[in-house]
Amino acid sequence: GESVGLHLPTLSVQEGDNSIINCAYSNSASDYFIWYKQESGKGPQFIIDIRSNMDKRQGQRVTVLLNKTVKHLSLQIAATQPGDSAVYFCAENIQNTDKLIFGTGTRLQVFP
Amino acid sequence: DAGVTQSPTHLIKTRGQQVTLRCSPKSGHDTVSWYQQALGQGPQFIFQYYEEEERQRGNFPDRFSGHQFPNYSSELNVNALLLGDSALYLCASSPRVGEVGTDTQYFGPGTRLTVL
Repeated sequence: GESVGLHLPTLSVQEGDNSIINCAYSNSASDYFIWYKQESGKGPQFIIDIRSNMDKRQGQRVTVLLNKTVKHLSLQIAATQPGDSAVYFCAENIQNTDKLIFGTGTRLQVFP
Repeated sequence: DAGVTQSPTHLIKTRGQQVTLRCSPKSGHDTVSWYQQALGQGPQFIFQYYEEEERQRGNFPDRFSGHQFPNYSSELNVNALLLGDSALYLCASSPRVGEVGTDTQYFGPGTRLTVL
């Protein structure tokens, strides 16, 4: 399949290590945030979400942290596996709108 | 339970032509959004349909239009194609308004449009 992102920021991690992917969002009126994973040739896959009344949310092997003061979002992946290799996007939803605004994406590469 | 489906998978058109892309939402979802994803970039919101009407629109020209049918499926139409319209077109669906997670959008695999 075609490459999702040719010149994206890249994070390279060793299998088994923890990964942290960061995202700066743009609008202080955003009240809902989602992390998506996109593999080559596929559509974005929902990973985890968080609302603005929270600062941390955990899923299976993933944790999202939200810092509204500096408009920063991070995705932590524990015990990174080769199957985690993909491009990761954060998306924000501005309050009372219906559209998601996506960040530029980060490519995660997992090596053995 | 099928997720969001889109057709066709790939499409090649020439400048000036018109194209129609199709989307079926996930079961239980009634809201459909369309996004354009250029190579190397994040998806850009085109518009959203709910109750067969366009509810919100992004910064795209009138050449981009859509439709939603009573069964919640949707079409994206692009007229007078330009080379710059070459992209992956993504459809996303959301649960019914008022239900939990109504603003979470789930994406289909996309349609890769190439304009020559």
